[in-house]
Amino acid sequence: GQSLEQPSEVTAVEGAIVQINCTYQTSGFYGLSWYQQHDGGAPTFLSYNGLDGLEETGRFSSFLSRSDSYGYLLLQELQMKDSASYFCAVRDTGGFKTIFGAGTRLFVKA
Amino acid sequence: DTEVTQTPKHLVMGMTNKKSLKCEQHMGHRAMYWYKQKAKKPPELMFVYSYEKLSINESVPSRFSPECPNSSLLNLHLHALQPEDSALYLCASSQEGAGANVLTFGAGSRLTVL
Repeated sequence: GQSLEQPSEVTAVEGAIVQINCTYQTSGFYGLSWYQQHDGGAPTFLSYNGLDGLEETGRFSSFLSRSDSYGYLLLQELQMKDSASYFCAVRDTGGFKTIFGAGTRLFVKA
Repeated sequence: DTEVTQTPKHLVMGMTNKKSLKCEQHMGHRAMYWYKQKAKKPPELMFVYSYEKLSINESVPSRFSPECPNSSLLNLHLHALQPEDSALYLCASSQEGAGANVLTFGAGSRLTVL
C-alpha cells in the first residue's frame, strides 16, 4: 500500500519561517512533489524532489531524504497570502499514479 | 499556453441526468488526469490517459465514464450519479517520464448531485 503523513494544521506569524513535514510509504518511489491550494482554488505545483537534498525556488524550499522516506517544505518570509493548504504527493511507479497526502492547512497571522 | 481549462465551472444535476465535464489543454502534454476532491480532503485519482489511451482506472464506478477524443481534450461523462458524488472534479495534465511529477491542474468543475 501507500501512505503519506503530514500535519493537519500549522499556524505561524507573518515574516516567520515554517516547515511542513511529510513522511511516506510507497511500493515504489519516483519523486516527492508539493502543491499549494487556496480555498476555492485548484492545486498549484510548488516544488519537486527526485533526489536527496534541497531544492530552492524563491521563498519556498523543499527537501528530500529517500533513506528516511521523509521530506519537508520550507516557507520563508511568510506572507498572509501563503495561508492555504499544502499537499505532499508521491509518484509511486514509473507511470502516472500520483497520490496526495491529506494536506496541511497553514494559517498565517498578522 | 500554460493552462488547463475546465467547463463547466459549476454543475447541478439530478440522479437521473446525463451530463459531461470537459477539459482542454494546449501544452502538448500527453498525459491527462481526472481527480475527485471532497471538501477539506486531498485530490483522489480517478483516471489517467496516456497518449489518448486509458492508463489507470482507480476502480471508479461505471457511472463515471472517461473519454479522450484527442491529445488536447478529456471528457468525463456522468450518468445516474448519487448525492455522495458531489465534489470538485479536477482535470490535470503532465508530460511523460520525469515530467509526470509536475501536474498542471484546471480550476475544477464543482458538481452538485441532487
